[in-house]
Amino acid sequence: KNQVEQSPQSLIILEGKNCTLQCNYTVSPFSNLRWYKQDTGRGPVSLTIMTFSENTKSNGRYTATLDADTKQSSLHITASQLSDSASYICVVSAAQAGTALIFGKGTTLSVSS
Amino acid sequence: DGGITQSPKYLFRKEGQNVTLSCEQNLNHDAMYWYRQDPGQGLRLIYYSQIVNDFQKGDIAEGYSVSREKKESFPLTVTSAQKNPTAFYLCASSILTGAGTGELFFGEGSRLTVL
Repeated sequence: KNQVEQSPQSLIILEGKNCTLQCNYTVSPFSNLRWYKQDTGRGPVSLTIMTFSENTKSNGRYTATLDADTKQSSLHITASQLSDSASYICVVSAAQAGTALIFGKGTTLSVSS
Repeated sequence: DGGITQSPKYLFRKEGQNVTLSCEQNLNHDAMYWYRQDPGQGLRLIYYSQIVNDFQKGDIAEGYSVSREKKESFPLTVTSAQKNPTAFYLCASSILTGAGTGELFFGEGSRLTVL
């Protein structure tokens, strides 16, 4: 069964600290992996999309890694800011016709001052 | 600016009423989607459309209906047959690629509450 598991479920860190969010998946055949940021009450916004051949991809202070062998991805946030407080959603796309997007439940990050 | 517009942002409904959520995009995307988001759960696909006048059921289509008469518009009707309609509804669009769904662009969401 295609699944995407994210950990931790929630996380609280101090402003300025770094953090890493995890995403494990059992989706096959794999096409790409996406990370989205969703502010409370808003729609998700894309941070990165990684294909099978990409190990690392950065978007400002956000760096995503992908290990296709172990089927794991991480999202590292550097020098956190209060505006990073949000839910981070990992989405894996299966390489098949139709939509075939499997969503994780998300990690809720709270950055405090 | 290009994007996706959902309306209304907040909607209240009495039991037994149908309501329609609007979704309009000016990104010239072929594909449009409706998702439902509940606390503690991942997004679940309700319906999607890859071309005008055609749409497909997603994982939780029961109690919902859609239409795609124009490329830019993909309204969702929550019918009285939907037993638990209180949720946050997200519309999205994407280009279509040979390997499946392109990058999703989401609207700001519509929160439906049944009184």
